[in-house]
Amino acid sequence: QQQVKQSPQSLIVQKGGISIINCAYENTAFDYFPWYQQFPGKGPALLIAIRPDVSEKKEGRFTISFNKSAKQFSLHIMDSQPGDSATYFCAASPYTDKLIFGTGTRLQVFP
Amino acid sequence: DVKVTQSSRYLVKRTGEKVFLECVQDMDHENMFWYRQDPGLGLRLIYFSYDVKMKEKGDIPEGYSVSREKKERFSLILESASTNQTSMYLCASSPGVAAFFGQGTRLTVV
Repeated sequence: QQQVKQSPQSLIVQKGGISIINCAYENTAFDYFPWYQQFPGKGPALLIAIRPDVSEKKEGRFTISFNKSAKQFSLHIMDSQPGDSATYFCAASPYTDKLIFGTGTRLQVFP
Repeated sequence: DVKVTQSSRYLVKRTGEKVFLECVQDMDHENMFWYRQDPGLGLRLIYFSYDVKMKEKGDIPEGYSVSREKKERFSLILESASTNQTSMYLCASSPGVAAFFGQGTRLTVV
């Protein structure tokens, strides 16, 4: 019940395309769903986050879609750029507690 | 900007050595965390602390201990390093929910 399942493990997208990464969870106590972006040699950095009272949150080219009934959430990267090439982690927590991370998706955007 | 600083980027230690990984944050955050990152496994929580001198076990505490004597500093200790502890170690701090990570320490145990 504590797991967060993330897919795909790796993703190759052409420049200008849409990158989609999916996550699923079981624990209905989870109340906070962030996405982290990690470049090689760096620590993960918070990219965007959502609470379950909204179904979508958009920040620039990055959008989180949240489906509470299905217990799924996804990250959409519109107009993907080579500079978006990184590893992306979804996570979940019951808001005031520690984060449970997915296993990561390595995104490669080719020109 | 929040700054979480880990004392070493790369470390090579011998099996059986006692290893200290240090982490300092400059934002007066209450909560601090140690994760390890392995390919295909994501980030797994080792220990965390919600206050000075307090610590709680995460999902994989075996073989590790921690120390938090000051609010800004959280140390991870490998009592007797083993080869299966070769990994990337990430420290994070948080004011409550969003976690801010350091750059990581890549530890190799030979």
